[in-house]
Formats: sequence, structure tokens, C-alpha cells
Amino acid sequence: GAGVSQTPSNKVTEKGKYVELRCDPISGHTALYWYRQSLGQGPEFLIYFQGTGAADDSGLPNDRFFAVRPEGSVSTLKIQRTERGDSAVYLCASSLFSGETQYFGPGTRLLVL
Amino acid sequence: ELKVEQNPLFLSMQEGKNYTIYCNYSTTSDRLYWYRQDPGKSLESLFVLLSNGAVKQEGRLMASLDTKARLSTLHITAAVHDLSATYFCAVDEDAGGTSYGKLTFGQGTILTVHP
Repeated sequence: GAGVSQTPSNKVTEKGKYVELRCDPISGHTALYWYRQSLGQGPEFLIYFQGTGAADDSGLPNDRFFAVRPEGSVSTLKIQRTERGDSAVYLCASSLFSGETQYFGPGTRLLVL
Repeated sequence: ELKVEQNPLFLSMQEGKNYTIYCNYSTTSDRLYWYRQDPGKSLESLFVLLSNGAVKQEGRLMASLDTKARLSTLHITAAVHDLSATYFCAVDEDAGGTSYGKLTFGQGTILTVHP
């Protein structure tokens, strides 16, 4: 079946702009996770959804970052007033239930100029 | 704060040789994952280890978990070029006995297998 998909695959924006990154999890997966991976590093946890609610957003770096999952499926990560330091690969993962193996999408490569 | 450390960070191997990657973590957990990442690609799940003494094997890779030592190993047997990739271990924080998938990753081990 289809895996986790993310759009866009690449995003180039200017400092100060607003961006939205989309994640389509595997159908039927209840848990959805966002991670950020900087070059040469392992992914870092940002936020976790169980159903529609953000169960843990402790990894969001500051209040410029926000994520939603209004119908318990697709999720959008929103970044306001982007900064150059936000440049990274943003990975989405889903699992059938929380605490089970996470399946990762291909990521969105964000470059802030 | 949970810390996960892998070593080595860089591993250059000859085909046919054996080697082990180590993953140490700092707090209680009984759920550990190994992932593979090819350049420019996303993460592929290799193993999930769920209890002390767990051992999983797939092809030339074998992973084990010692929760008392807070250590997992990924052993490579008779390496082949196709195994060249970056390998990450990831630990699921034990939130009062419940794991919900907040993974903390190691820095990754870049494995290169030479003919």
C-alpha cells in the first residue's frame, strides 16, 4: 500500500516568509509525528499527534512553529517568519498506534535564504 | 533528558569483514529501534527491540538490546557494498511505563563498505 507522503519535496523561501508543509500518513494510522533533521544529524522530535490532538508538542523550537491535524489524518506543519536556521529536512512519520514502529515519509527539504 | 550516543560515527569496512555499531542511552527504556538512511532518502525501519535480551536478525544484520546496560548493538556480518548507508538507533522515552513514540535518535553511523 501507499506509504507516508509529504509535499512539497523541496521548498525554497526567503527569510521572514510563511511556509506550510504537508504530510499524508499511511491510511488508518492513528499516530503522526514530525521530526526535523539537520545535515549530518539524527532526526529531532518536534510534535506528536494522537488522532486530531497534539499529545506532545515539547519539541517545537518556539512559537513560530505550529502544526495541525484537523481530521485525524493529514497534518500540516506551519512555520511563520522563517529564519535561516529553520533550514533542514522536515520528516513526517506515522504509526498504527502510538508507541509502535514509525514509518517515515521522504521529507520536505526547506531552505530559507 | 534522554541522550543517545552511537559509536563509531564513521565506519569504513572491507567487504567480507565483520563489525559492530554501538548505541548507548542514558535513561530507562525498553523500546529501541534501528533505522537505515541512504543519501538523500528517508529512514527505513530495520529492527524494533522490545525487551531485555531481545535479538533480531535480518540477512547480514543482527541487533540486540541489553536494557540493564542501556546498550544496543548492530552487528554486521560479512559486509557487502549494498550495506553502505547511515544507520541510526532511536530510543522511545519511557513515560512512566508508557511508550508513545517520542523517539530520540543517535547521531548516526556512516558506514562505507569497500570492495
